Amino acid sequence: AQSVTQLGSHVSVSEGALVLLRCNYSSSVPPYLFWYVQYPNQGLQLLLKYTSAATLVKGINGFEAEFKKSETSFHLTKPSAHMSDAAEYFCAVSEGNQFYFGTGTSLTVIP
Amino acid sequence: EAGVTQFPSHSVIEKGQTVTLRCDPISGHDNLYWYRRVMGKEIKFLLHFVKESKQDESGMPNNRFLAERTGGTYSTLKVQPAELEDSGVYFCASSQEWGYRDGYTFGSGTRLTVV
Repeated sequence: AQSVTQLGSHVSVSEGALVLLRCNYSSSVPPYLFWYVQYPNQGLQLLLKYTSAATLVKGINGFEAEFKKSETSFHLTKPSAHMSDAAEYFCAVSEGNQFYFGTGTSLTVIP
Repeated sequence: EAGVTQFPSHSVIEKGQTVTLRCDPISGHDNLYWYRRVMGKEIKFLLHFVKESKQDESGMPNNRFLAERTGGTYSTLKVQPAELEDSGVYFCASSQEWGYRDGYTFGSGTRLTVV
């Protein structure tokens, strides 16, 4: 079974600062990787996905993630945080018919 | 198009009672999934339907949980009798054939509290 590790259950950044949320996965084959976001009182929304077409993936709301096979990582970044980015972010990998999620990172944006 | 709809959004029940959660997937999505997040831990797979058939129920915790999908449309997840450790957020998701590659569409979840 796959495992996904998200370092840092809580991350705080200042408005306008770089956002970096870390994700490492365990997989011996090229994976399908995803980032989901959950805004307060809402469902999980797909932010972006890696499907082996390109190592740098651009998603919605200015987020992007880079797949690094040598590091088994898929970190999520955004150059400049906005107040509206405050949410919980989940990294996930799919295997077969299942998604394996990390424990989530709650992002706080400080004005 | 309408998204994945779950209700109730919140449910508080006493230990030993029965609760039924409902999920309406996106129309035309044959694949329906249930996931659960307990106490701030990771979101974990419970089961997968393809149309009305259970494709994989390896994640179901025990036989107190029963999932059905009537006519391949909406799905229900019943917990009977509920225990304290069943508290958590239950997510439903649906997808077309390539969900493992394209991602699922999730509902807003049902927050279940067993007291």
